[in-house]
Amino acid sequence: GAVVSQHPSRVICKSGTSVKIECRSLDFQATTMFWYRQFPKQSLMLMATSNEGSKATYEQGVEKDKFLINHASLTLSTLTVTSAHPEDSSFYICSARDPLAGANVLTFGAGSRLTVL
Amino acid sequence: AQKVTQAQTEISVVEKEDVTLDCVYETRDTTYYLFWYKQPPSGELVFLIRRNSFDEQNEISGRYSWNFQKSTSSFNFTITASQVVDSAVYFCALSLVRTSYGKLTFGQGTILTVHP
Repeated sequence: GAVVSQHPSRVICKSGTSVKIECRSLDFQATTMFWYRQFPKQSLMLMATSNEGSKATYEQGVEKDKFLINHASLTLSTLTVTSAHPEDSSFYICSARDPLAGANVLTFGAGSRLTVL
Repeated sequence: AQKVTQAQTEISVVEKEDVTLDCVYETRDTTYYLFWYKQPPSGELVFLIRRNSFDEQNEISGRYSWNFQKSTSSFNFTITASQVVDSAVYFCALSLVRTSYGKLTFGQGTILTVHP
């Protein structure tokens, strides 16, 4: 199936700094990507939909100024956690529709674990 | 609103045992998709199966089988002759046909540990 790559896989930063996470679709184009967040031992929650060439769509309760999303090309979406605080520590996973797997099937990246000290 | 419930938080079995992971969902929509994903320790979610609401036929893929019953709003997953490599967190998820395909409602996940 299609592959979605995320970088970095782990990042530790100080409180107040900003962190950028990249999500790339390999071997396929993704006009839309999705960012999920997973708290320890909990489920995944959709944060936002990243649209190539236009503004991201955020889910209710997600601060768009805190979580900046940029989808500058058909294969790259970035999530920037601005002025990160310890409560932003989480596992962030991006996904895109798998063009080989049929309708509504998402392929997920390996995730990025953010730890804010 | 949609809801997916995986009542089993953790399951521990010994290798070669069969194990069933339960999933119950709630939605008022009549057209939807159901999914199972596997999340090994490495973190990525691995797609296992998609079922649409019109297809109640059970499916078998190797040691994996799925039982979809609309009457009880359940989509259970059985692993036959479990192996250590099956140890992972398994998520059941739901998406509605009328909304973005990227919006999955996930259950809380079931941690499966298979002991040698």
